[in-house]
Amino acid sequence: GENVEQHPSTLSVQEGDSAVIKCTYSDSASNYFPWYKQELGKRPQLIIDIRSNVGEKKDQRIAVTLNKTAKHFSLHITETQPEDSAVYFCAASITHSGGSNYKLTFGKGTLLTVNP
Amino acid sequence: GAVVSQHPSWVICKSGTSVKIECRSLDFQATTMFWYRQFPKQSLMLMATSNEGSKATYEQGVEKDKFLINHASLTLSTLTVTSAHPEDSSFYICRATGTEGAEAFFGQGTRLTVV
Repeated sequence: GENVEQHPSTLSVQEGDSAVIKCTYSDSASNYFPWYKQELGKRPQLIIDIRSNVGEKKDQRIAVTLNKTAKHFSLHITETQPEDSAVYFCAASITHSGGSNYKLTFGKGTLLTVNP
Repeated sequence: GAVVSQHPSWVICKSGTSVKIECRSLDFQATTMFWYRQFPKQSLMLMATSNEGSKATYEQGVEKDKFLINHASLTLSTLTVTSAHPEDSSFYICRATGTEGAEAFFGQGTRLTVV
């Protein structure tokens, strides 16, 4: 089955700096890669996702890059703010015909702390 | 976005008792429900996948007789932790998907503490 590795496990940055979280996956058939933000005791929130037919996607301060050959993808947060502090999870899955009933395999998470 | 309502948000139960967790899709038909477990400071681990009207498919290492999943309708799925023990204490969360092409949505999660 799919195996997703995520690094680093913890990341501390100063407000305004950039943060980068990296993930690798094992199954070359995986074609959907979402990123989730989870605050303590709350549900994960989808913040950005990318499909295997694109190499990069950006949404304001958040961007995701995908290297299919190397089987790794990264989350980039620019101009970090204290409210960005949370646990971030990457995930990978195989989807069919744009369907959403897919099984996600999650990375172990990264605790991001943005210091004021 | 669509809403998945999960209840209870937290529960404390005695060892040996059973606990039922509900997930309801409020404004869409949840054809597939995924149930996850998350231990403190760890990732979400998939326990089982259920399609409406069918038996759930459990991940390796998850006891199907201990974690009973019912998905009898398109708007409700339940997870019952039977004969709960302290090691079952965890954060349980559902994730529902609807028709093909629709985004998947998480419930709020349930913090289970077995004493």
